[in-house]
Amino acid sequence: DGGITQSPKYLFRKEGQNVTLSCEQNLNHDAMYWYRQDPGQGLRLIYYSQIVNDFQKGDIAEGYSVSREKKESFPLTVTSAQKNPTAFYLCASSIDQGRTYNEQFFGPGTRLTVL
Amino acid sequence: DAKTTQPNSMESNEEEPVHLPCNHSTISGTDYIHWYRQLPSQGPEYVIHGLTSNVNNRMASLAIAEDRKSSTLILHRATLRDAAVYYCILRDPGGSQGNLIFGKGTKLSVKP
Repeated sequence: DGGITQSPKYLFRKEGQNVTLSCEQNLNHDAMYWYRQDPGQGLRLIYYSQIVNDFQKGDIAEGYSVSREKKESFPLTVTSAQKNPTAFYLCASSIDQGRTYNEQFFGPGTRLTVL
Repeated sequence: DAKTTQPNSMESNEEEPVHLPCNHSTISGTDYIHWYRQLPSQGPEYVIHGLTSNVNNRMASLAIAEDRKSSTLILHRATLRDAAVYYCILRDPGGSQGNLIFGKGTKLSVKP
């Protein structure tokens, strides 16, 4: 089945540690996105990538880093510089970025808790 | 990006129709209207989108006002599985990021 996988579903880390969240898609989509969701809020864009080896900052990129070495993979690293890292992290993909009617497919999310 | 306004919450009875409103008075002529929903502890899923004409798919119908300043998502027969947060989103074809701008959405509760 085609889709997006994120792992792990739940992640606990100590304050000051970097942590990398995995996102893999087998939909052959060019564009991939990382969003953050806080309780009771909508999603906010962290980073996005239109194509392999290219990515751009979203609205709340500070304290995060990404890479896009393969089309199907877009890992997100939450660094110790991120002041409030505890949140629900969602990865998404779409055929490409440009067409507005392209639906975005979301993964199941990773709930990160920093202790 | 143009903003949307939705009620914070709505309730429905199972097997009855549900009309979820969305106001977008600052919509531009090229903005598409998208609806996504998010079930508890899951990622959002696409529901439907439209530009000017009413749209139907297997999940729902989208009714767009003639002046495009508002729209309504219609679930024809609500089921317990439809309980979710529904997001109304405007998407500009000229936007540089391609991401979806999510507000807080409408939390739909479905009573048996």
